[in-house]
Amino acid sequence: GAVVSQHPSRVICKSGTSVKIECRSLDFQATTMFWYRQFPKQSLMLMATSNEGSKATYEQGVEKDKFLINHASLTLSTLTVTSAHPEDSSFYICSTQVVDNEQFFGPGTRLTVL
Amino acid sequence: AQKITQTQPGMFVQEKEAVTLDCTYDTSDPSYGLFWYKQPSSGEMIFLIYQGSYDQQNATEGRYSLNFQKARKSANLVISASQLGDSAMYFCAMREGPSQAGTALIFGKGTTLSVSS
Repeated sequence: GAVVSQHPSRVICKSGTSVKIECRSLDFQATTMFWYRQFPKQSLMLMATSNEGSKATYEQGVEKDKFLINHASLTLSTLTVTSAHPEDSSFYICSTQVVDNEQFFGPGTRLTVL
Repeated sequence: AQKITQTQPGMFVQEKEAVTLDCTYDTSDPSYGLFWYKQPSSGEMIFLIYQGSYDQQNATEGRYSLNFQKARKSANLVISASQLGDSAMYFCAMREGPSQAGTALIFGKGTTLSVSS
């Protein structure tokens, strides 16, 4: 199956700074990637759909100016949390589109905003 | 209305016993797929099993089987011979529409499984 990496795996930052999270599809050309957010002991909530070469599609309630998504190539999608605040602290996971009836996930990035 | 419902926040089972994790779904699309993922404390999402809406037989993968009851819109996960390493959070998820549509999975709230010796 497809291998997806995320970097960094863990980040701690000060309130007001911006954080970039990279999601790479290592052996699969992903025209579409998904970004999820997960609070402790809760479900994965879809934030946005990242489309290669075009603008991302955001779910209702997700601020597109706060969570900037760029999908510049078939193997890389980035999520930038701008002017991060403590309430943005969460676990962020990217995934590929469904391939052979499986959706492959990155290992996730744990963001803590102080 | 919730698309995926997992009514068991937590389940407890002893080693070597079987356990069933419940999942019901709601969709009007005739083509859909149902997935189960395991998420240990590390956070990684581990794919367990898949069932397509047109599949005639229940899916099985090793110790995992999916009890698919289409008329009842349920897709329960059965883990046989539980092991300590099965302790984790388990998510049921659904893809609406055919796989080539490229839609994202919708997840249930999850069930935390604890296996004791």
